[in-house]
Amino acid sequence: QVQLQESGPGLVKPSETLSLTCGVSGGPIDSYYWSWIRQPPGKGLEWIGYVYQDGTTSYKPSIKSRVSMAVDRSRKHFSLKLSSVTAADTAVYYCAGGGGWPFEYWSPGTQVTVSS
Amino acid sequence: EIALTQSPDFQSVTPKGKVTITCRASQSIGSSLHWYQQKPGQSPKLLIKYASQSISGVPSRFSGSGSGTDFTLTINSLEVEDAATYYCHQSSSFPLTFGPGTIVDIE
Repeated sequence: QVQLQESGPGLVKPSETLSLTCGVSGGPIDSYYWSWIRQPPGKGLEWIGYVYQDGTTSYKPSIKSRVSMAVDRSRKHFSLKLSSVTAADTAVYYCAGGGGWPFEYWSPGTQVTVSS
Repeated sequence: EIALTQSPDFQSVTPKGKVTITCRASQSIGSSLHWYQQKPGQSPKLLIKYASQSISGVPSRFSGSGSGTDFTLTINSLEVEDAATYYCHQSSSFPLTFGPGTIVDIE
């Protein structure tokens, strides 16, 4: 059974870059599409983008200019970088994935707060 | 971007009752519609994929139907543990989108 676990700072200052990593265990990192999804406090789910094993990415257009995702197959993890953050980026961030769509596997979620 | 709407926003049901949640897409998405359950403090859990396909380990009281723009999630014989927020999600085109969620409460 594939398990995902995020890691990264829980507090980021405004205008700085949010960086998170998601470790994959219990299964392969290859042949899966790996996404980042966030959920602002008390709100619904927002897909940010995905990265595939070959480095192919697709991002939500409204956030595309600030997002970067990458996969490290040797270390079995993938990453998210979100630049120029504001309070609106405060959310629980999930990594999720599967052999295609939908999202079969989800991480527990990590709270990221943007505040000075 | 394909928008998803859900109704109702909130439903309160007694145990053993039936819940029906509707998800409507802003354009046809075939059967590329999936349902998740999220309990407070937990990550979402996949319940139904491609409108009506069951997921291993998910109780049979959860079922889905629909195609095109209109979809339904049905929960039969509701149990106390089914109290949660339910989201639909479309994978027909990018960006991937979710519905706003339906809160199911147990009376």
